[in-house]
Order: sequence, then structure tokens, then C-alpha cells
Amino acid sequence: EAQVTQNPRYLITVTGKKLTVTCSQNMNHEYMSWYRQDPGLGLRQIYYSMNVEVTDKGDVPEGYKVSRKEKRNFPLILESPSPNQTSLYFCASSVGQGPYEQYFGPGTRLTVT
Amino acid sequence: AQSVTQLDSQVPVFEEAPVELRCNYSSSVSVYLFWYVQYPNQGLQLLLKYLSGSTLVKGINGFEAEFNKSQTSFHLRKPSVHISDTAEYFCAVSDLVGNYQLIWGAGTKLIIKP
Repeated sequence: EAQVTQNPRYLITVTGKKLTVTCSQNMNHEYMSWYRQDPGLGLRQIYYSMNVEVTDKGDVPEGYKVSRKEKRNFPLILESPSPNQTSLYFCASSVGQGPYEQYFGPGTRLTVT
Repeated sequence: AQSVTQLDSQVPVFEEAPVELRCNYSSSVSVYLFWYVQYPNQGLQLLLKYLSGSTLVKGINGFEAEFNKSQTSFHLRKPSVHISDTAEYFCAVSDLVGNYQLIWGAGTKLIIKP
């Protein structure tokens, strides 16, 4: 089954404790992206990657890091989480950069206290 | 800069009634337009998209949307809703060139009343 998986689905952590949210897709997609979803704001792009070892900032990259060492994986790293990073995070992938359908993971709900 | 406005944060409607979810965008250039749906506790999935051609676009689950360039709108419609349509609906736009980044609206929650 074609899918995007994210782990963990729920995470409660404390300020400053480094964490990683994993994202993996099994569709051989080149383009992957991370979004955060906040009430009343819709989705905002954090980082995206057009292919292995090619990443770029989205609209809200501050406080986040990403890497793309393999085509299927695109982890999101919060090196020193803060309460304003409490949000619902989605990973998405598509065949390439363009007006293509994006396939979304189930989401990771992060709470930073 | 592009922006997307979804005029209603919530739309309550009775089951089997028609519904329209409104989306307006602002852009100085031509755009691609999308509607995505997010069912409770799930990720988003594509409902339909407009790239070019006919301004009336049909999508999954009986939804359709009409692109109106003069009014810069892309409203989503369904003639008869079901309880299973309960979800949040997001409108998004992207440029025809450049990095095709999607700009998202704030979402509209469709609430189906039995």
C-alpha cells in the first residue's frame, strides 16, 4: 500500500529536549515536505526537499532542521524545542516539484511544556 | 504575494442538503488551485485540482469546484452531503512557475447535522 508514515503520532516533551520526528514514504517520490498546522492558520511549510541531499527552507523554518540522506526518509529535527513549537506536524510527498498531488502522513501531535 | 481566504471557518448543514465552501485567492499571476480534505485524525488528501482548461472541475466523493478568474474564486460544492463528509476542507494555490509552493487557506470545518 502506497503511504507516508510518521512516528511518533503523539509526543509530549519538555523545553530544550532534542527530538526527531521520522517520515518515510514508499512511493519513490522525489519531493518531500514538512508542514505545521495551527488552528486558524492552515498549513505552513517548514522545509522541503526536491531530492536526496537537496533541502530548502519553507515559510517557517526557524527552530527546525531536516536531512535527506535517503530518498524515502525525511526526518524533522527540533534541537531545542520551545512551547511555540507545540503544533500538529505533517509530512507529505509527491512525484516531483510541481502541481502534483501531495500525499500526507497521518500527522504528529507535539506538545512542548 | 499570494494569499488564500476561506470565508467560513465552520459550515453547518443538514444531511442530504447542498453545500458550498468558499475560497478566494489573491495573486498577480495565474495560479493552480487545489482542494484538500482532512477527515478526523487523519492526514490531508486531494479532492480535486484546477490546472487549466474547463473551469468546472470534478473530484472524488461527488465534489466539484468552479474556477472563476474574474472573481478570483474557487468555490467547492456538493449537491447532497452525507454524514461521512464531516471533515475540514482546505483550499490551496500555487504559482505556475518557480517552486510551486502551496499557499493554504485556514480551512473550513463542514459539520453535518442529522
